[in-house]
Amino acid sequence: GENVEQHPSTLSVQEGDSAVIKCTYSDSASNYFPWYKQELGKGPQLIIDIRSNVGEKKDQRIAVTLNKTAKHFSLHITETQPEDSAVYFCAHKGNAGNMLTFGGGTRLMVKP
Amino acid sequence: DAGITQSPRHKVTETGTPVTLRCHQTENHRYMYWYRQDPGHGLRLIHYSYGVKDTDKGEVSDGYSVSRSKTEDFLLTLESATSSQTSVYFCAISELGEQFFGPGTRLTVL
Repeated sequence: GENVEQHPSTLSVQEGDSAVIKCTYSDSASNYFPWYKQELGKGPQLIIDIRSNVGEKKDQRIAVTLNKTAKHFSLHITETQPEDSAVYFCAHKGNAGNMLTFGGGTRLMVKP
Repeated sequence: DAGITQSPRHKVTETGTPVTLRCHQTENHRYMYWYRQDPGHGLRLIHYSYGVKDTDKGEVSDGYSVSRSKTEDFLLTLESATSSQTSVYFCAISELGEQFFGPGTRLTVL
């Protein structure tokens, strides 16, 4: 599948601050962009997703923005809490098939 | 974990031995996937299935085979395990695009 670049690979923030993780993709046919949170010893869990017909989606403290022209999408976490500490993965899906391509992951650490 | 179980959860085996990992779902989802997760590589697709007896290769399929004889079960087989196959293996299921992951199997090949 087409690659997706995810940055930063690690992110440390103070509790209460915001965290932003960005992903860039190359497949112009991509139409679905999920974000996953993975806690230690567990499988990735879907936390939010966006489809190509919208530019932003919010769910409480989490939001995702999509810029199809620039081919990048971002995860925004506001008012971070220690339990937000985890590894976050972006992914995208093109028109062909039902497969996701994942970014390399971002380890987020929220310091109390 | 969205009605997905994986077995075993941990396994240690020796180089050259066959290994089979099982993924079981209770959601009746059409699609099932096997990924491996390694440091620095994120999640990489090994094989996937789009229906009973319908499977296809993913990005890193060499050394692996799969079978799906029932909707609920997707088996991943390492015919002759190698040390490079030491990894954490995740199964995922999907119906309409969103993928849901199982708890993972940690495999160590000595």
